[in-house]
Amino acid sequence: DAKTTQPTSMDCAEGRAANLPCNHSTISGNEYVYWYRQIHSQGPQYIIHGLKNNETNEMASLIITEDRKSSTLILPHATLRDTAVYYCIVRARVGGDKLSFGAGTTVTVRA
Amino acid sequence: ETGVTQSPTHLIKTRGQQVTLRCSSQSGHNTVSWYQQALGQGPQFIFQYYREEENGRGNFPPRFSGLQFPNYSSELNVNALELDDSALYLCASSLVGGRAREQYFGPGTRLTVT
Repeated sequence: DAKTTQPTSMDCAEGRAANLPCNHSTISGNEYVYWYRQIHSQGPQYIIHGLKNNETNEMASLIITEDRKSSTLILPHATLRDTAVYYCIVRARVGGDKLSFGAGTTVTVRA
Repeated sequence: ETGVTQSPTHLIKTRGQQVTLRCSSQSGHNTVSWYQQALGQGPQFIFQYYREEENGRGNFPPRFSGLQFPNYSSELNVNALELDDSALYLCASSLVGGRAREQYFGPGTRLTVT
């Protein structure tokens, strides 16, 4: 699986959009970009995934660059409950469900 | 909540002992994966079970073993516990053949080895 690079931490104001970047310059054609988050002392929670098109669901939007070497997770209106560690993961859809977690980005939403 | 449950919530064991952790997968899911999360780090893949057989393994020694039962629940067994085995153990269930195959995680079991 391709490696990803994320900032160690970032702050965000409550009610504002949070934009979380991720670099995955060695991503291959069959690899998807997945985002999970982990709120303190809980198991990771699936957020969204995409291949090359932008995706949106009830939690977030995922913007993937045309060359697929980077992506941005957008939380449109951050709340205090969005404070968590956010993991960007790339993996192939085939070959098993192994998720390779890095250190992630610690996002702190402030009132 | 995901519907994935784990037991026990917390556990304290002594070095050299053996431990069994349990996981019930989300209804309709047929695959269980186990992860180890040391303090301050991301989860690390231990292994995955599908159709009651191991279907992929991470960089963990053989003293980490598992089982999957016909109802898709699973156990993680760790023999000869070491201090470094102290961690949060997470299980995740998914559906092979499902559209997105995203994994749904349980709350974890916090294991402390003294």
